[in-house]
Amino acid sequence: QKEVEQDPGPLSVPEGAIVSLNCTYSNSAFQYFMWYRQYSRKGPELLMYTYSSGNKEDGRFTAQVDKSSKYISLFIRDSQPSDSATYLCAMSGAQGAQKLVFGQGTRLTINP
Amino acid sequence: DGGITQSPKYLFRKEGQNVTLSCEQNLNHDAMYWYRQDPGQGLRLIYYSQIVNDFQKGDIAEGYSVSREKKESFPLTVTSAQKNPTAFYLCATSGQLMNYGYTFGSGTRLTVV
Repeated sequence: QKEVEQDPGPLSVPEGAIVSLNCTYSNSAFQYFMWYRQYSRKGPELLMYTYSSGNKEDGRFTAQVDKSSKYISLFIRDSQPSDSATYLCAMSGAQGAQKLVFGQGTRLTINP
Repeated sequence: DGGITQSPKYLFRKEGQNVTLSCEQNLNHDAMYWYRQDPGQGLRLIYYSQIVNDFQKGDIAEGYSVSREKKESFPLTVTSAQKNPTAFYLCATSGQLMNYGYTFGSGTRLTVV
């Protein structure tokens, strides 16, 4: 079993819809949670960063962490065609020098 | 303009050849990483380095080699021993605390011809 599981999709939704992307994990030591966005043939860029449990909002994006369920989510409101990309979750443990563990990535398409 | 420069953007390799992918950073980050990305498989760690003149194998190091002679540079050599090298290669860096997130380069697409 992988440490981080993420449905690879593809996921296709109409413009304006609310998108929910999710990851589950097995390592209870994970404390730092990130979402990266990767456009085709580009490097991933950091989209959201969360420490421990709770919600974090940035414009149309909301990241949620539920450590009791070992489950993290990224919500995109009022989705736009420019949101079409692959979204990767990433996480690491409490120690500062631990490497990130990435999910497989979910390919998302927003249809105009 | 701070960032990570990967070159070349596209690279073609003949069977039996070694090729070297370049990664240069001016972010003054200590740690550098090489990942391989195949369609539908996410990111797989090849090698990483936390300090100059030191590096560790990742999950798929066989057929690859690296060096870290300068803080700014972490080149990756894909050797002829790598049987399936066609992939998208990403270089990343992080500051002293790795779990504050990585910064990625724009990638090199390697194709065997």
